[in-house]
Amino acid sequence: SQKIEQNSEALNIQEGKTATLTCNYTNYSPAYLQWYRQDPGRGPVFLLLIRENEKEKRKERLKVTFDTTLKQSLFHITASQPADSATYLCALDDTDKLIFGTGTRLQVFP
Amino acid sequence: GAGVSQSPSNKVTEKGKDVELRCDPISGHTALYWYRQSLGQGLEFLIYFQGNSAPDKSGLPSDRFSAERTGGSVSTLTIQRTQQEDSAVYLCASSLQGGSPYEQYFGPGTRLTVT
Repeated sequence: SQKIEQNSEALNIQEGKTATLTCNYTNYSPAYLQWYRQDPGRGPVFLLLIRENEKEKRKERLKVTFDTTLKQSLFHITASQPADSATYLCALDDTDKLIFGTGTRLQVFP
Repeated sequence: GAGVSQSPSNKVTEKGKDVELRCDPISGHTALYWYRQSLGQGLEFLIYFQGNSAPDKSGLPSDRFSAERTGGSVSTLTIQRTQQEDSAVYLCASSLQGGSPYEQYFGPGTRLTVT
């Protein structure tokens, strides 16, 4: 069956450290993968898109990797700040629509 | 400019009643999506509109759910004979064009509670 898996447990890290979130998928062949941030009571907000032929994409303190052999994407936040605390969702394409993972909650403490 | 708006922000209804949820996408966006998010869960795809094409209804959980998009703009999601398991946040998103290369812009959602 098709699955998208993100760490269901919250990730707690100290301010200034690098946060690494994982997105694994099964039985999909996505051409694109997107990452979104969701704060409580709000809709998700787009962060980054990476294509299957791209190994890595960066935007400010954010970095995304996409390994189609491992069927995995990693999302990194460097020099993390308490304001980065939120739930992060990965989403991959499936015939013109996005299928979202369940998200990983990140908590950055001072 | 204005983002995606949804109304109402909260809706409490009795089991068995019908509800209508509204979504106003960003002007000029041709694609519109509806998702459902249950407490602590990810987003569940419901339906996708792209221009004048027939909508992709593959995510609708039952025939009690339907959606329309009038004039290529505003969309209404209707749930008939609501059940308690329909309680969730219903999110609408729009994108410039359909397909996954385009980022989706989400509204704030409608929290539906069925009592």
